[in-house]
Amino acid sequence: DSGVTQTPKHLITATGQRVTLRCSPRSGDLSVYWYQQSLDQGLQFLIQYYNGEERAKGNILERFSAQQFPDLHSELNLSSLELGDSALYFCASSAETGAAFFGQGTRLTVV
Amino acid sequence: QQQVKQSPQSLIVQKGGISIINCAYENTAFDYFPWYQQFPGKGPALLIAIRPDVSEKKEGRFTISFNKSAKQFSLHIMDSQPGDSATYFCAASSYSGAGSYQLTFGKGTKLSVIP
Repeated sequence: DSGVTQTPKHLITATGQRVTLRCSPRSGDLSVYWYQQSLDQGLQFLIQYYNGEERAKGNILERFSAQQFPDLHSELNLSSLELGDSALYFCASSAETGAAFFGQGTRLTVV
Repeated sequence: QQQVKQSPQSLIVQKGGISIINCAYENTAFDYFPWYQQFPGKGPALLIAIRPDVSEKKEGRFTISFNKSAKQFSLHIMDSQPGDSATYFCAASSYSGAGSYQLTFGKGTKLSVIP
């Protein structure tokens, strides 16, 4: 158990809908990263937050947004969903060592 | 400059053999090099990591070799077992200021260990 909690584990929704994925980082970790992984693909970096502030942005679509709250949990919002958004979405958190620890992911299926 | 190049894309090894996965980087600001193991449908798990002031780190059957001058590092899995069949990602981390680190991942290597 990495200590990073993601909810929900599975999500099935229709095209055009909006969903929110939630991540609770390990205790004491200030950084949260979001990644998208399509079937048999690598990890696509979406966005990073550190102590509530956006720190880095990757290949995140304009339909996607994220935030990190004062209690350090983070949410990834995906809107106007398309079939191609079906993927595993991972959250990771890191301490001040550079090591990142991943949650078990949210499997999003858009139908 | 932020890329980490990983090879091979896939690897088939006989049980008991040695699995070797290689990564190369360009950015000399990287100062922490972790490897992750991912089983299907699960999150990547930190396997082993090294800092550039060390040329080798061993944990059980897993060894990282690091060549700072060549900007290359590799994962060796000794006595590979079918249970090692997974996707392996190398990564490199650099400090991006005010306590925050930026992680860059390789594209992954799918390892299959056959009996």
